[in-house]
Amino acid sequence: SQQGEEDPQALSIQEGENATMNCSYKTSINNLQWYRQNSGRGLVHLILIRSNEREKHSGRLRVTLDTSKKSSSLLITASRAADTASYFCATDAWSNFGNEKLTFGTGTRLTIIP
Amino acid sequence: ETGVTQTPRHLVMGMTNKKSLKCEQHLGHNAMYWYKQSAKKPLELMFVYSLEERVENNSVPSRFSPECPNSSHLFLHLHTLQPEDSALYLCASSQDPSGGAFGELFFGEGSRLTVL
Repeated sequence: SQQGEEDPQALSIQEGENATMNCSYKTSINNLQWYRQNSGRGLVHLILIRSNEREKHSGRLRVTLDTSKKSSSLLITASRAADTASYFCATDAWSNFGNEKLTFGTGTRLTIIP
Repeated sequence: ETGVTQTPRHLVMGMTNKKSLKCEQHLGHNAMYWYKQSAKKPLELMFVYSLEERVENNSVPSRFSPECPNSSHLFLHLHTLQPEDSALYLCASSQDPSGGAFGELFFGEGSRLTVL
């Protein structure tokens, strides 16, 4: 079953504006990760936030985690055309084989309008 | 360049063909993964290998057969596929030897498979 779900499914903003994407999940996690995927390419890791952290920054990226609400948000500030991509959150969960695995959502498709 | 190389990048095959997808990682990682990405669906984890042993088989049909001859190489052998198997197949690696989710995954660029 799907663990993480991103919201919105699609987002279009003007270049220079900030973009916010949200992720909700169902079960307890150890960490949550965000990935970016350019069209038809592989996923690229952006940032990892552990369950005992509430906020993390990396360049123009800011990630928050609220474990009480089982949600996370990814903020991209001062967006650029090159930020156009799909963004996925991934949460760890226990698999049927007793080990942890990453489960991805369906992603948010972000379009930056020049 | 992520250090994970997948070949071929594009593959078209008939339902009776046999083909293989190849993945190679140059990162010294201990775990390797196959994911399937179909349109408007979440990434589906297919197989996980940790230290060359399969640690996860996520109810994948037997027409998909993985092989991990060493910690740097991973194959996905394909035979008698169906049109609904058309998708982007992504290989990934991670440092975690248990094949778990304690760190980030490094993905290849994917192999776009079309089954006619």
